[in-house]
Parts: sequence; structure tokens; C-alpha cells
Amino acid sequence: EPEVTQTPSHQVTQMGQEVILRCVPISNHLYFYWYRQILGQKVEFLVSFYNNEISEKSEIFDDQFSVERPDGSNFTLKIRSTKLEDSAMYFCASTISAHEQYFGPGTRLTVT
Amino acid sequence: EDQVTQSPEALRLQEGESSSLNCSYTVSGLRGLFWYRQDPGKGPEFLFTLYSAGEEKEKERLKATLTKKESFLHITAPKPEDSATYLCASRDSGNTPLVFGKGTRLSVIA
Repeated sequence: EPEVTQTPSHQVTQMGQEVILRCVPISNHLYFYWYRQILGQKVEFLVSFYNNEISEKSEIFDDQFSVERPDGSNFTLKIRSTKLEDSAMYFCASTISAHEQYFGPGTRLTVT
Repeated sequence: EDQVTQSPEALRLQEGESSSLNCSYTVSGLRGLFWYRQDPGKGPEFLFTLYSAGEEKEKERLKATLTKKESFLHITAPKPEDSATYLCASRDSGNTPLVFGKGTRLSVIA
């Protein structure tokens, strides 16, 4: 069964450093999302991406964040200058269209 | 104000003891109510989508129902492997992002 994959599973970085989180969505899906979940809190939307552009973003997704689909398979989230409060699980999700979203296993980001 | 509220926050059941989890939503023009299961340190795993009041979906020991204001996830004769956090999420149109509740942490004791 096709699934969303994410790398790395765990990333440790120092405050102020740039990180790139990578996702491979399900191959025939057209809509892509990033969510995050701070430990013990609910899953929060960051950004959605369709047709090679951002379709919606939350207040969390400020100028420090960017997304890219560099080729036909990868979908990346970049944080330019990480802060302590960026420590969270980051989930990528995809859907074919207006249906259920399928989530990846997540990347645990730890900012020290 | 939260759009999606789940209760209880935590639920402890004996194996075989059936129960229900509640999800209340306030979004108008609901275009999907979703249930996911999340194991510790893992991503949400899709369980069900419900679109209209009166709709029901079943999978093994789980049954999800939807009314105009809330959804229930009924667990019949649970087993220890059903222990997880169950997340409810709503969507108000098309491919807009999901709005999640805080989840119900279910523990099933053998």
C-alpha cells in the first residue's frame, strides 16, 4: 500500500541553524500539507501546496518557513533560522483530492 | 474558540469493556469529519471520513457516527492493541486544511 515517507526521522539542530525536512508524498496525490505537533499538544496546520504554489498558510508559517517541490516526488519544508519553540514533530500529508489526508511518520525536530 | 473539542481527554478501559469517544465541532458547512489513530511518536493513521448527519462507518471494533453537532467513535469489546490516541478533525471546504481536536488517549487494560 502506498505511503507517505519522511526523512530524517529525528533532526537535532542548534538555534539559528537552517533545517530542511523532506517528504515523499503518495505518487498520484496532488495536494500536499505540512503540520506540526508540539509535544503534548494538538496537530496544527502550517501550509498547503497545490500546483506548485502555496494555497493556504497559517499564522505559524512566517517568513522563517518555506516549502518547495524541487522535483516530481519530493516536498520539502525549510526553516531558515530555527528557534527553541520550533521543536516539534513535523508531519507531511497528501491527498488526491478533497478526501482524507494521509500522513507520514513525522520528523522529530529538536532545537537546542 | 476551539472548532473541534474531544472528550474525554483520557479513557481507561478493561479489555472487552465497550465505550464511546466524543467529538464536538462548531464549523459551519462541514465538508468532512475525520477520525485518525495516533500511536506514540508516530503520524496520524486514517480511520474514517464522515460527510453527512446520520452517516456511519465501521472497521473491525470501531464504528464512527455523525450528527449535526458531534461525532462519536464507538469501540466495541476493545483489545489492548486498540490503545492509542484517537484524533478527530474537521474540514469546512474542499481541500482546506484539517482542524484537529486535542485527542482522546485510550488505554485498554488486559
